[in-house]
Amino acid sequence: NAGVTQTPKFRVLKTGQSMTLLCAQDMNHEYMYWYRQDPGMGLRLIHYSVGEGTTAKGEVPDGYNVSRLKKQNFLLGLESAAPSQTSVYFCASIRTGEGNEQFFGPGTRLTVL
Amino acid sequence: KNQVEQSPQSLIILEGKNCTLQCNYTVSPFSNLRWYKQDTGRGPVSLTIMTFSENTKSNGRYTATLDADTKQSSLHITASQLSDSASYICVVSPNTGTASKLTFGTGTRLQVTL
Repeated sequence: NAGVTQTPKFRVLKTGQSMTLLCAQDMNHEYMYWYRQDPGMGLRLIHYSVGEGTTAKGEVPDGYNVSRLKKQNFLLGLESAAPSQTSVYFCASIRTGEGNEQFFGPGTRLTVL
Repeated sequence: KNQVEQSPQSLIILEGKNCTLQCNYTVSPFSNLRWYKQDTGRGPVSLTIMTFSENTKSNGRYTATLDADTKQSSLHITASQLSDSASYICVVSPNTGTASKLTFGTGTRLQVTL
């Protein structure tokens, strides 16, 4: 099993450009999440999904959109990137039960110039 | 507001020494507390989980304690190794639902040196 994978690993954008981050999991998990991690701050939830075709806003959803067309994939989109979106983005999925352990991907480092 | 505070922010220890990381939380209601290890450039990986009724739990050289009355947890690392160099993140869950309400601490960055 590959677990949770993220594409791309690194990306540099100019202000106003758009991009999509892809998260894929092969563990048949229902719940998937997108977080951002910034220096000196804890992981913050952007959007999440409790199943195929569903999405919900997290703590910091502004400027991002998501889609969950297939159970194994969760896409995070930036329509018009801003320097404030420079961050490391992590995707996670949950194994329900056992305290809902989250399995994280390796992260995508995004820089917006 | 639910908060998780970790201390110290960073720590440097010699290989072979022990250390203890602290986590204080104000999350309510409380369901469980996890400690994650995050290696540089990687995603967090779960080390331990503790529920309200548990006082201590071990995972190899890692031992977590929980005092639900004072809302404090600690992670003790015994006989540290270079591979223990990482950030350790405390995460508190208020319920056993969708995990959309998790509160993450900012982490303790541990460096183990020769």
